Amino acid sequence: NAGVTQTPKFQVLKTGQSMTLQCAQDMNHNSMYWYRQDPGMGLRLIYYSASEGTTDKGEVPNGYNVSRLNKREFSLRLESAAPSQTSVYFCASRVTRMGVTEAFFGQGTRLTVV
Amino acid sequence: AQKITQTQPGMFVQEKEAVTLDCTYDTSDQSYGLFWYKQPSSGEMIFLIYQGSYDEQNATEGRYSLNFQKARKSANLVISASQLGDSAMYFCAMREGAAGGTSYGKLTFGQGTILTVHP
Repeated sequence: NAGVTQTPKFQVLKTGQSMTLQCAQDMNHNSMYWYRQDPGMGLRLIYYSASEGTTDKGEVPNGYNVSRLNKREFSLRLESAAPSQTSVYFCASRVTRMGVTEAFFGQGTRLTVV
Repeated sequence: AQKITQTQPGMFVQEKEAVTLDCTYDTSDQSYGLFWYKQPSSGEMIFLIYQGSYDEQNATEGRYSLNFQKARKSANLVISASQLGDSAMYFCAMREGAAGGTSYGKLTFGQGTILTVHP
């Protein structure tokens, strides 16, 4: 059981380049999320998807797009990378069972934009 | 205003001692959830414990317990019998709204507390 899998783990982009961060979960969770983690800022929600076919903006959506391809996959796209998008990105999925909510994170993608 | 506040940037504890990591939150919702995560130096985020706003008892999970004081809006994490492997960054987070409601996507995190366990 792999849980939440993110690729790639590391990436360096030049300003203006585009890329897609991939995320997949094999736990049959409806909800999936993308966060970014910056020093001293905690984690901030970029986009989330409550279920297949739906996506919503989080706290810091500017400069990103997402796609919920199916229940398993939720990708994050940077169309034109900027140095301000240098960060560690986490994908997560969440489920509530019998009143208890559990959330699971991928291992993170360390992105540097130069 | 900060929705989640962790006032301790860093904490130190002796191995086998207990430690409390503070977390206060701000919400006007009646239904919400509180989470604690551990992030070791390897970077992954590990879910530790969850407390729902309507749960009458404090959540416990092994050596972790959540000291939930609703009136004070605090959700402190207590780690008993600290181990060297507990050294990590710890994040408190809140989900506003009911678990099945439309706001259940928005999980807000605090800035984290770095815990160092000394032998």
